Amino acid sequence: AQSVTQPDIHITVSEGASLELRCNYSYGATPYLFWYVQSPGQGLQLLLKYFSGDTLVQGIKGFEAEFKRSQSSFNLRKPPVHWSDAAEYFCAVGAMDSSYKLIFGSGTRLLVRP
Amino acid sequence: DTGVSQDPRHKITKRGQNVTFRCDPISEHNRLYWYRQTLGQGPEFLTYFQNEAQLEKSRLLSDRFSAERPKGSFSTLEIQRTEQGDSAMYLCASTRSGIKQDTQYFGPGTRLTVL
Repeated sequence: AQSVTQPDIHITVSEGASLELRCNYSYGATPYLFWYVQSPGQGLQLLLKYFSGDTLVQGIKGFEAEFKRSQSSFNLRKPPVHWSDAAEYFCAVGAMDSSYKLIFGSGTRLLVRP
Repeated sequence: DTGVSQDPRHKITKRGQNVTFRCDPISEHNRLYWYRQTLGQGPEFLTYFQNEAQLEKSRLLSDRFSAERPKGSFSTLEIQRTEQGDSAMYLCASTRSGIKQDTQYFGPGTRLTVL
């Protein structure tokens, strides 16, 4: 079965520093990959997605992610981090059956030090 | 495009009561999904509709849960005889396409607390 692992439950970075959030997926074929952000008590906002093509994907708010098939990873990056980036970040993979449902990781909570 | 809306945003109920949530997807989106998110976890799939047809239900969706999407527009999720374990955020998402992977747009969610 498809699954997503986000190994870091919490990450704290200083404002202005670079950020990398890790995501690993399990599936043999080329997956559909997503990063969403969730502010407290809110729904999910799409940051970026990868379906095919260039493995470096640009998203909103200055975020980018790189798909690495050899490592089964889709890590999210942002240089530099702003205090407003503090939120919870979810990596997801799209199901390869006709449901196309999303399978999410457990999330990484980002804290930003002033 | 007014986005996905959900109502209510918060619901507090006593154990054993029935609750119903509503989701209004983005206009003309064919597919609608329900997910459940418990504290400290990522959302988990519950069920989805292609137009008015409910095509898949997760094993998470016990017999106490029922969902509808009459006329392929808004959807409702009903929980009967609520239990404390039902406390969670219930998220709705919609997507334009039903024939390929597409971006899912999420609503703000309904937070359910069962006392």
